[in-house]
Amino acid sequence: DVKVTQSSRYLVKRTGEKVFLECVQDMDHENMFWYRQDPGLGLRLIYFSYDVKMKEKGDIPEGYSVSREKKERFSLILESASTNQTSMYLCASSLSGAANEKLFFGSGTQLSVL
Amino acid sequence: AQSVTQLGSHVSVSEGALVLLRCNYSSSVPPYLFWYVQYPNQGLQLLLKYTSAATLVKGINGFEAEFKKSETSFHLTKPSAHMSDAAEYFCAVSRNTGGFKTIFGAGTRLFVKA
Repeated sequence: DVKVTQSSRYLVKRTGEKVFLECVQDMDHENMFWYRQDPGLGLRLIYFSYDVKMKEKGDIPEGYSVSREKKERFSLILESASTNQTSMYLCASSLSGAANEKLFFGSGTQLSVL
Repeated sequence: AQSVTQLGSHVSVSEGALVLLRCNYSSSVPPYLFWYVQYPNQGLQLLLKYTSAATLVKGINGFEAEFKKSETSFHLTKPSAHMSDAAEYFCAVSRNTGGFKTIFGAGTRLFVKA
């Protein structure tokens, strides 16, 4: 089965720090996604990528950037972390961009910004 | 624009009772609809998806959902709840805006009482 691995389960950072969240998938999927999950708000799409070096903004891209230098790896970057970015971050991938495709998720990174 | 509304942030049932989790969608075209489940400390995994082949969709772990276009609903049901069903459930719709993106509802946490 597809495995999506997020490098850290828990992360604590200070306000103003640059933060990198890493995600790796092992099944040659074209598409990768970053969501943040907050209670009562569900999952909100931050950025996605449909190919190496390609990226598209999701619904809440402000304060974030992404990098996809290799097909299997998709990084989320918080240029200057703020307390309102404390959240659970979920990475996902899908085989292609078809609308009926399911997403495969990592276990998530719980980020706390102090 | 496509969106998803889940009615009830928390649902509590007794073991053996019917599970009913409600989801309504808004879409200008026939959508692709999904239910995902998130167990504690895990990422999301697909329960089932609707892709227009049949209005009654069967998923894993005894869950099923019925697509009702007239009601714009895609409610999730299970005839008999088990303790292991306690989790958070997300309804989602696939949206085509510059590439297909999956939009999630706010989630419903299911509690199962012994």
